[in-house]
Amino acid sequence: EVQLVESGGGLVKPGGSLRLSCAASGFTFSSYSMNWVRQAPGKGLEWVSSISSSSSYIYYADSVKGRFTISRDNAKNSLYLQMNSLRAEDTAVYYCARGGSGSYYFPWGQGTLVTVSS
Amino acid sequence: QSVLTQPPSVSAAPGQKVTISCSGSSSNIGNNYVSWYQQLPGTAPKLLIYDNNKRPSGIPDRFSGSKSGTSATLGITGLQTGDEADYYCGTWDSSLSAAVFGGGTQLTVL
Repeated sequence: EVQLVESGGGLVKPGGSLRLSCAASGFTFSSYSMNWVRQAPGKGLEWVSSISSSSSYIYYADSVKGRFTISRDNAKNSLYLQMNSLRAEDTAVYYCARGGSGSYYFPWGQGTLVTVSS
Repeated sequence: QSVLTQPPSVSAAPGQKVTISCSGSSSNIGNNYVSWYQQLPGTAPKLLIYDNNKRPSGIPDRFSGSKSGTSATLGITGLQTGDEADYYCGTWDSSLSAAVFGGGTQLTVL
């Protein structure tokens, strides 16, 4: 069974840092692009970042560019999101999702909540 | 303001059919595949449609997708109360080099 499990969320002060992880299982992780998508409380989905299977191509939403860094370790079947200079508007549930060739996301993890507040 | 435009809400009676529209531009829907997601309350999004009109294994054929020009449509027939959820369209925007989602549509089955 394909499974994605996020971890690392929590409460952090504005300006602080947090590193999210996504553990993948049930598929050949190194063959797929991976993505982070977030959802602020009561709001819609917002794409955050994507990384290709070999890390050759990386993309970021303008809202996080320069502050967030996506990375992956294919040997550990893991995806990461290093979040620095966090702001209140970064408060959201962060989902990890496997990428499809047509820019679709399947499946999604259960999400991890990041709260940025003093 | 989302790059892709969806109606905030739609409603229909059980057993009926509903369509949800997703409007974009030539840089996104017009030249890239569209996908659709269902998000039940308190759960993670689930892929319903990919590559404009394909259904993943396990998604019933009550759900369908289509695309014409710079717009896409999700259709749901034989509505059930369990279909009450938020629905999102998504695609890649070649000008932005970014993935984009619609603002979401809340479906109410009356």
